[in-house]
Amino acid sequence: SQKIEQNSEALNIQEGKTATLTCNYTNYSPAYLQWYRQDPGRGPVFLLLIRENEKEKRKERLKVTFDTTLKQSLFHITASQPADSATYLCALVPSSGGSYIPTFGRGTSLIVHP
Amino acid sequence: GAVVSQHPSWVICKSGTSVKIECRSLDFQATTMFWYRQFPKQSLMLMATSNEGSKATYEQGVEKDKFLINHASLTLSTLTVTSAHPEDSSFYICSAIPGRINEKLFFGSGTQLSVL
Repeated sequence: SQKIEQNSEALNIQEGKTATLTCNYTNYSPAYLQWYRQDPGRGPVFLLLIRENEKEKRKERLKVTFDTTLKQSLFHITASQPADSATYLCALVPSSGGSYIPTFGRGTSLIVHP
Repeated sequence: GAVVSQHPSWVICKSGTSVKIECRSLDFQATTMFWYRQFPKQSLMLMATSNEGSKATYEQGVEKDKFLINHASLTLSTLTVTSAHPEDSSFYICSAIPGRINEKLFFGSGTQLSVL
Protein backbone atom coordinates (compact mmCIF):
# COMPACT_ATOMS: atom_id res chain seq x y z
CA SER A 1 0.00 0.00 0.00
CA GLN A 2 1.04 3.61 -0.50
CA LYS A 3 2.65 5.26 2.48
CA ILE A 4 4.07 8.64 3.32
CA GLU A 5 6.18 8.67 6.45
CA GLN A 6 7.28 11.63 8.46
CA ASN A 7 8.93 11.39 11.84
CA SER A 8 6.16 11.54 14.41
CA GLU A 9 8.55 12.64 17.14
CA ALA A 10 9.05 16.36 17.53
CA LEU A 11 12.37 17.79 16.43
CA ASN A 12 13.91 20.06 19.03
CA ILE A 13 16.78 22.28 17.95
CA GLN A 14 18.58 25.37 19.14
CA GLU A 15 18.06 28.72 17.49
CA GLY A 16 20.54 29.35 14.69
CA LYS A 17 21.01 25.68 13.84
CA THR A 18 19.78 23.96 10.70
CA ALA A 19 16.62 21.90 11.03
CA THR A 20 16.28 18.89 8.77
CA LEU A 21 12.97 17.12 8.34
CA THR A 22 12.46 13.88 6.44
CA CYS A 23 9.67 12.62 4.22
CA ASN A 24 9.85 9.02 3.01
CA TYR A 25 7.37 7.37 0.72
CA THR A 26 6.66 3.90 -0.62
CA ASN A 27 4.64 2.65 -3.56
CA TYR A 28 4.32 6.11 -5.06
CA SER A 29 5.45 7.64 -8.30
CA PRO A 30 5.07 11.30 -7.49
CA ALA A 31 5.01 13.94 -10.16
CA TYR A 32 6.03 16.37 -7.50
CA LEU A 33 6.27 16.83 -3.80
CA GLN A 34 5.10 19.77 -1.74
CA TRP A 35 5.99 21.04 1.71
CA TYR A 36 3.53 22.95 3.88
CA ARG A 37 3.73 24.62 7.27
CA GLN A 38 0.86 24.25 9.73
CA ASP A 39 0.49 26.22 12.95
CA PRO A 40 -1.79 24.92 15.75
CA GLY A 41 -5.46 25.41 14.96
CA ARG A 42 -4.72 26.77 11.49
CA GLY A 43 -4.79 25.51 7.94
CA PRO A 44 -1.52 24.58 6.19
CA VAL A 45 0.42 27.16 4.23
CA PHE A 46 2.29 26.19 1.07
CA LEU A 47 6.08 26.58 1.23
CA LEU A 48 7.82 24.81 -1.62
CA LEU A 49 7.25 22.43 -4.50
CA ILE A 50 9.86 20.19 -6.08
CA ARG A 51 9.33 18.15 -9.24
CA GLU A 52 10.44 14.58 -9.87
CA ASN A 53 13.17 15.72 -12.24
CA GLU A 54 14.59 18.26 -9.78
CA LYS A 55 17.19 17.43 -7.18
CA GLU A 56 17.06 20.56 -5.09
CA LYS A 57 15.00 23.71 -4.61
CA ARG A 58 15.73 26.75 -2.49
CA LYS A 59 13.71 29.64 -1.17
CA GLU A 60 15.34 32.05 1.25
CA ARG A 61 16.29 29.94 4.32
CA LEU A 62 14.47 26.88 3.02
CA LYS A 63 15.93 24.06 0.96
CA VAL A 64 14.24 20.93 -0.29
CA THR A 65 15.89 17.91 -1.86
CA PHE A 66 14.17 15.10 -3.69
CA ASP A 67 15.72 11.69 -4.26
CA THR A 68 13.40 9.47 -6.29
CA THR A 69 15.80 6.54 -5.96
CA LEU A 70 15.74 6.66 -2.17
CA LYS A 71 12.10 7.77 -2.28
CA GLN A 72 12.89 10.54 0.10
CA SER A 73 12.67 14.29 0.43
CA LEU A 74 14.61 16.35 2.95
CA PHE A 75 13.43 19.76 4.10
CA HIS A 76 16.02 22.08 5.60
CA ILE A 77 15.60 25.35 7.47
CA THR A 78 18.89 27.14 7.93
CA ALA A 79 19.55 29.66 10.69
CA SER A 80 16.38 28.50 12.41
CA GLN A 81 14.38 30.90 14.57
CA PRO A 82 11.77 30.31 17.29
CA ALA A 83 9.19 31.65 14.81
CA ASP A 84 9.92 28.61 12.63
CA SER A 85 8.34 26.39 15.29
CA ALA A 86 5.38 24.66 13.65
CA THR A 87 4.35 21.36 12.10
CA TYR A 88 5.70 20.72 8.61
CA LEU A 89 3.77 18.50 6.24
CA CYS A 90 4.94 16.89 3.07
CA ALA A 91 2.47 16.03 0.34
CA LEU A 92 2.83 13.94 -2.79
CA VAL A 93 1.01 14.44 -6.05
CA PRO A 94 0.85 11.30 -8.22
CA SER A 95 2.21 11.26 -11.74
CA SER A 96 -0.41 8.85 -13.02
CA GLY A 97 -4.14 8.39 -12.77
CA GLY A 98 -5.05 11.91 -13.82
CA SER A 99 -5.51 13.06 -10.24
CA TYR A 100 -3.64 16.09 -9.03
CA ILE A 101 -4.88 15.77 -5.50
CA PRO A 102 -1.98 15.64 -3.04
CA THR A 103 -1.80 13.08 -0.27
CA PHE A 104 -0.37 14.35 3.00
CA GLY A 105 1.96 12.89 5.55
CA ARG A 106 1.08 13.40 9.21
CA GLY A 107 3.73 16.03 9.65
CA THR A 108 6.67 16.59 11.93
CA SER A 109 6.60 19.13 14.72
CA LEU A 110 9.61 21.43 14.85
CA ILE A 111 10.44 23.29 18.06
CA VAL A 112 13.18 25.90 17.91
CA HIS A 113 14.48 26.92 21.30
CA PRO A 114 15.85 30.43 21.87
CA GLY B 1 -1.41 35.46 -2.81
CA ALA B 2 -4.70 33.65 -3.07
CA VAL B 3 -6.83 33.87 0.06
CA VAL B 4 -9.32 31.28 1.25
CA SER B 5 -11.68 32.26 4.02
CA GLN B 6 -13.38 29.64 6.19
CA HIS B 7 -16.14 30.18 8.75
CA PRO B 8 -16.78 29.55 11.51
CA SER B 9 -13.40 29.02 13.16
CA TRP B 10 -14.96 26.90 15.86
CA VAL B 11 -18.38 25.59 16.67
CA ILE B 12 -19.87 23.65 19.55
CA CYS B 13 -23.15 21.91 18.95
CA LYS B 14 -25.43 19.36 20.52
CA SER B 15 -25.58 15.83 19.25
CA GLY B 16 -28.18 15.46 16.51
CA THR B 17 -27.95 18.99 15.17
CA SER B 18 -26.52 20.04 11.81
CA VAL B 19 -23.60 22.37 11.29
CA LYS B 20 -22.68 24.28 8.14
CA ILE B 21 -19.14 25.35 7.35
CA GLU B 22 -18.41 27.88 4.61
CA CYS B 23 -15.34 28.12 2.44
CA ARG B 24 -14.80 31.14 0.20
CA SER B 25 -12.07 32.02 -2.24
CA LEU B 26 -11.72 35.77 -1.82
CA ASP B 27 -9.58 36.89 -4.73
CA PHE B 28 -9.79 34.09 -7.26
CA GLN B 29 -12.29 31.73 -8.79
CA ALA B 30 -12.04 28.17 -7.58
CA THR B 31 -13.47 25.56 -9.90
CA THR B 32 -12.37 22.92 -7.44
CA MET B 33 -12.34 22.94 -3.67
CA PHE B 34 -11.32 20.18 -1.32
CA TRP B 35 -12.59 19.30 2.14
CA TYR B 36 -10.30 17.65 4.68
CA ARG B 37 -10.63 16.55 8.26
CA GLN B 38 -7.76 16.27 10.66
CA PHE B 39 -7.53 14.56 14.04
CA PRO B 40 -4.86 15.67 16.55
CA LYS B 41 -1.35 14.79 15.39
CA GLN B 42 -2.74 13.06 12.32
CA SER B 43 -2.47 13.82 8.65
CA LEU B 44 -5.04 15.67 6.60
CA MET B 45 -7.59 13.16 5.34
CA LEU B 46 -9.34 14.12 2.14
CA MET B 47 -13.09 13.81 2.53
CA ALA B 48 -14.35 15.03 -0.81
CA THR B 49 -13.60 17.07 -3.90
CA SER B 50 -16.10 19.79 -4.62
CA ASN B 51 -16.61 20.91 -8.21
CA GLU B 52 -18.57 24.01 -9.06
CA GLY B 53 -21.92 23.20 -10.59
CA SER B 54 -21.69 19.45 -10.15
CA LYS B 55 -21.89 16.81 -7.46
CA ALA B 56 -19.01 16.37 -5.11
CA THR B 57 -16.76 13.35 -5.35
CA TYR B 58 -16.46 11.62 -1.99
CA GLU B 59 -13.54 9.53 -0.82
CA GLN B 60 -14.08 5.95 0.16
CA GLY B 61 -15.61 5.61 3.59
CA VAL B 62 -17.05 9.14 3.72
CA GLU B 63 -20.82 9.19 3.98
CA LYS B 64 -22.17 11.61 1.41
CA ASP B 65 -25.55 11.81 3.15
CA LYS B 66 -23.88 12.84 6.37
CA PHE B 67 -21.38 15.31 4.92
CA LEU B 68 -23.32 17.38 2.42
CA ILE B 69 -21.24 19.49 0.09
CA ASN B 70 -22.55 22.28 -2.07
CA HIS B 71 -20.42 24.25 -4.51
CA ALA B 72 -22.95 26.63 -5.98
CA SER B 73 -20.56 29.29 -7.20
CA LEU B 74 -16.93 29.68 -8.21
CA THR B 75 -16.11 31.28 -4.89
CA LEU B 76 -18.16 29.37 -2.33
CA SER B 77 -18.35 25.79 -1.15
CA THR B 78 -20.18 24.63 1.96
CA LEU B 79 -19.89 21.49 4.05
CA THR B 80 -22.86 20.55 6.21
CA VAL B 81 -22.39 17.94 8.89
CA THR B 82 -25.86 16.53 9.35
CA SER B 83 -27.09 14.98 12.58
CA ALA B 84 -23.70 15.46 14.16
CA HIS B 85 -22.43 13.01 16.76
CA PRO B 86 -19.47 13.23 19.13
CA GLU B 87 -17.36 11.09 16.78
CA ASP B 88 -17.72 13.83 14.16
CA SER B 89 -15.76 16.17 16.40
CA SER B 90 -12.68 17.11 14.43
CA PHE B 91 -10.81 19.89 12.67
CA TYR B 92 -12.28 20.49 9.21
CA ILE B 93 -10.25 22.37 6.62
CA CYS B 94 -11.12 23.46 3.11
CA SER B 95 -8.73 24.27 0.33
CA ALA B 96 -8.96 25.61 -3.18
CA ILE B 97 -6.87 25.90 -6.30
CA PRO B 98 -6.97 28.84 -8.71
CA GLY B 99 -7.02 26.74 -11.84
CA ARG B 100 -7.05 23.13 -12.93
CA ILE B 101 -3.52 22.01 -12.36
CA ASN B 102 -2.82 21.67 -8.69
CA GLU B 103 0.69 22.84 -8.00
CA LYS B 104 -0.23 24.15 -4.60
CA LEU B 105 -3.24 24.30 -2.41
CA PHE B 106 -4.52 27.37 -0.61
CA PHE B 107 -6.15 26.46 2.68
CA GLY B 108 -8.77 28.05 4.84
CA SER B 109 -8.02 28.56 8.52
CA GLY B 110 -10.02 25.51 9.53
CA THR B 111 -13.07 24.86 11.69
CA GLN B 112 -12.86 23.06 15.01
CA LEU B 113 -16.12 21.20 15.52
CA SER B 114 -17.01 19.89 18.95
CA VAL B 115 -20.17 17.84 19.27
CA LEU B 116 -21.48 17.39 22.80
